[in-house]
Amino acid sequence: GNSVTQMEGPVTLSEEAFLTINCTYTATGYPSLFWYVQYPGEGLQLLLKATKADDKGSNKGFEATYRKETTSFHLEKGSVQVSDSAVYFCALREGYSTLTFGKGTMLLVSP
Amino acid sequence: DAGVIQSPRHEVTEMGQEVTLRCKPISGHDYLFWYRQTMMRGLELLIYFNNNVPIDDSGMPEDRFSAKMPNASFSTLKIQPSEPRDSAVYFCASSSLWDGDSGNTIYFGEGSWLTVV
Repeated sequence: GNSVTQMEGPVTLSEEAFLTINCTYTATGYPSLFWYVQYPGEGLQLLLKATKADDKGSNKGFEATYRKETTSFHLEKGSVQVSDSAVYFCALREGYSTLTFGKGTMLLVSP
Repeated sequence: DAGVIQSPRHEVTEMGQEVTLRCKPISGHDYLFWYRQTMMRGLELLIYFNNNVPIDDSGMPEDRFSAKMPNASFSTLKIQPSEPRDSAVYFCASSSLWDGDSGNTIYFGEGSWLTVV
């Protein structure tokens, strides 16, 4: 079956630090890959996505590249802000089935 | 364009009471999903519908849970009777087969935060 593994948190950074949150996946076919973000007390928001190998998704300064050879979709941001503090979920979807989520990584950014 | 709309946002109820959570998907979307989020188990799929028909309900915990989608713009998730272990955030989400480049993106509502005491 499909699965997503992402690094355990919390990840604690100072403002303007570089962020990487690792995500690897196992899938039987050719999934689309997603990062969702959940701010405290809120729902899940789509952050970025990539639908095929070597695609790069980007949004709000965050980037992730679909790497089929390493089955990875690591999330990066060059300079984090306090407002980026949230829980980040990596997920995959094959076709039009449901999403398979990782366990989530909490990011805490201090001023 | 309005997103996925859920109600109530927050509910506190007593054990044994019936709870009804409501969802309005994004207009034109033909897939609707119900997820539950807890600290212990993370995000779990409960059930999903395609064109108002339940496709996979294997995640529904037990007979106390039921979900319906009487039409394309409305779905309910009922818990009867509720128990403290049902306390969680319940998310509704939707997607469209025909949404061009975003066709396989699933959009989430803000969630219904349920506490059963």
